[in-house]
Amino acid sequence: QKEVEQNSGPLSVPEGAIASLNCTYSDRVSQSFFWYRQYSGKSPELIMSIYSNGDKEDGRFTAQLNKASQYVSLLIRDSQPSDSATYLCAVDSQGAQKLVFGQGTRLTINP
Amino acid sequence: DVKVTQSSRYLVKRTGEKVFLECVQDMDHENMFWYRQDPGLGLRLIYFSYDVKMKEKGDIPEGYSVSREKKERFSLILESASTNQTSMYLCASSIPGGVYEQYFGPGTRLTVT
Repeated sequence: QKEVEQNSGPLSVPEGAIASLNCTYSDRVSQSFFWYRQYSGKSPELIMSIYSNGDKEDGRFTAQLNKASQYVSLLIRDSQPSDSATYLCAVDSQGAQKLVFGQGTRLTINP
Repeated sequence: DVKVTQSSRYLVKRTGEKVFLECVQDMDHENMFWYRQDPGLGLRLIYFSYDVKMKEKGDIPEGYSVSREKKERFSLILESASTNQTSMYLCASSIPGGVYEQYFGPGTRLTVT
């Protein structure tokens, strides 16, 4: 079983709709969870971090964490074509100050 | 703003050459990381360092070494480049202790011919 799993997509969403990206992880002791956005040919950019169960909102982005279900998600409201990118989920690895990354979900927002 | 820079955006080397990839961060971060990213394989950790003179192997250290002589600089060395080391190389840094947010440099696309 992979440590961090994401649906590779592509996920296609119409402009203005809500895009929902999901991630599951296997390490029950993980405490820190991140979403990175990566445009084609560019490096990953940190867009959200979440450490506690529940929701965390930042502008059009909402991260949701459920540690009991080992599940973290990212919602993007009012999706824009500029949100088209690959989204990487990352989870801390057994408190070792390093992150384990999922393979990413490719999101396409259709005008 | 955190700034992580890498010495080259694109690099072409020949098989057998010794290759140096440099990474510098200006945020006084203790932790630094080297990854490679390949289609279908995602981000894989090569080496990381928690402090000057310190290094730890990641998931795929074979064929690579690292050097950290100063806090702000972390170098990745390919002792004898091979074609299977053609990849995008990404450097990242983070502060220690419980937060783990990593910030990436722009990446170096290395082609070994």
